[in-house]
Amino acid sequence: AQSVTQLGSHVSVSEGALVLLRCNYSSSVPPYLFWYVQYPNQGLQLLLKYTSAATLVKGINGFEAEFKKSETSFHLTKPSAHMSDAAEYFCAATIRTGTASKLTFGTGTRLQVTL
Amino acid sequence: KAGVTQTPRYLIKTRGQQVTLSCSPISGHRSVSWYQQTPGQGLQFLFEYFSETQRNKGNFPGRFSGRQFSNSRSEMNVSTLELGDSALYLCASSRGREYEQYFGPGTRLTVT
Repeated sequence: AQSVTQLGSHVSVSEGALVLLRCNYSSSVPPYLFWYVQYPNQGLQLLLKYTSAATLVKGINGFEAEFKKSETSFHLTKPSAHMSDAAEYFCAATIRTGTASKLTFGTGTRLQVTL
Repeated sequence: KAGVTQTPRYLIKTRGQQVTLSCSPISGHRSVSWYQQTPGQGLQFLFEYFSETQRNKGNFPGRFSGRQFSNSRSEMNVSTLELGDSALYLCASSRGREYEQYFGPGTRLTVT
């Protein structure tokens, strides 16, 4: 069974500082990986996805993530945080065969951006 | 292109009642998945429909059911509501199992 682990339920950064949100997956087969963002009282918005092409994936709003098979990680980064980045971020994975449409989510990381 | 829409956005029901939630996917998307989001359990997969067939199901009791229509719109039904069913129910659509899922705004269900 696959699982997704997000280290740190809360992360606080200053505006302009580097954002690093951690995600590790556990799966016998490298999965497809995704990062989603959720603003209060809204659904999930797709930030970026990894589907076995380039290991460094660029997404919307200046976010990017790097797939590292040796570390089973897919950490999300942004060079310079903005106040509008404050939200909850979810890492998710699907396996590539069979039930590939089922997303398994991490527990989420709430990002706080301070002045 | 319009996004995923869900109706209603908010719902208050009493224990023992049943409820039906609706989801309209992005045009051209044939796969619709449902997720439950609660503070305690996080985001959990309920089921997925593709071309009117349930293709995958999560670990939820039989009180949770769904269906998909020929136009890809989907409904989920929860019978005999319990307090623990209070949650945000999210619908997501995709072109198929190899593609990313796009989420609607959710339906906030409160059971009293």
